[in-house]
Amino acid sequence: NAGVTQTPKFQVLKTGQSMTLQCAQDMNHNSMYWYRQDPGMGLRLIYYSASEGTTDKGEVPNGYNVSRLNKREFSLRLESAAPSQTSVYFCASRDLAGGSSSYNEQFFGPGTRLTVL
Amino acid sequence: AQSVAQPEDQVNVAEGNPLTVKCTYSVSGNPYLFWYVQYPNRGLQFLLKYITGDNLVKGSYGFEAEFNKSQTSFHLKKPSALVSDSALYFCAVRDMAQTGGFKTIFGAGTRLFVKA
Repeated sequence: NAGVTQTPKFQVLKTGQSMTLQCAQDMNHNSMYWYRQDPGMGLRLIYYSASEGTTDKGEVPNGYNVSRLNKREFSLRLESAAPSQTSVYFCASRDLAGGSSSYNEQFFGPGTRLTVL
Repeated sequence: AQSVAQPEDQVNVAEGNPLTVKCTYSVSGNPYLFWYVQYPNRGLQFLLKYITGDNLVKGSYGFEAEFNKSQTSFHLKKPSALVSDSALYFCAVRDMAQTGGFKTIFGAGTRLFVKA
């Protein structure tokens, strides 16, 4: 049981280049999330997928797109990278069991450290 | 929208002493509150959560948190700090998502430094 995996671990891009960050989870979770972490700003939600087949914008979606490929995989794409997108990106997943009267914790991947020059 | 605030950027404590990492929240309705920990170059790990019930919640690694409704606080505590507790701690709250369902809002984080 690998939990949440992310690839790549590190990436350096030039301004204007594109790339896709991959995320997969093997816990059969319905919900998946993409966050960015910047110093002093905590984690900010970029996009999320409440369940397979749905995606929604978070706090900071501009410059990003996502694809929920199947229940396991949720990718994040930067179409034209900008220096402001230099950050550490985390993928997370969550089990929906318990319904609206509960709220389960999230499981995080190890992160992707992205630098845009 | 719901929110959490962590008023301290950093907390310093000597090993063996009790530690407290503060969190206050603002929610409409019942709060669903969490603490996560992040060790260097790692993803966040869940420590504990408050959904309902006892105001003192026990979690992983000997941590506990006290829910105080009148003070809208959810402070993280440990009776005796270890050097290995040094990490970044995040308070979080459940929030409604735009299209139904829920999402998590994180605080800015508090760095805990435990000195030997």
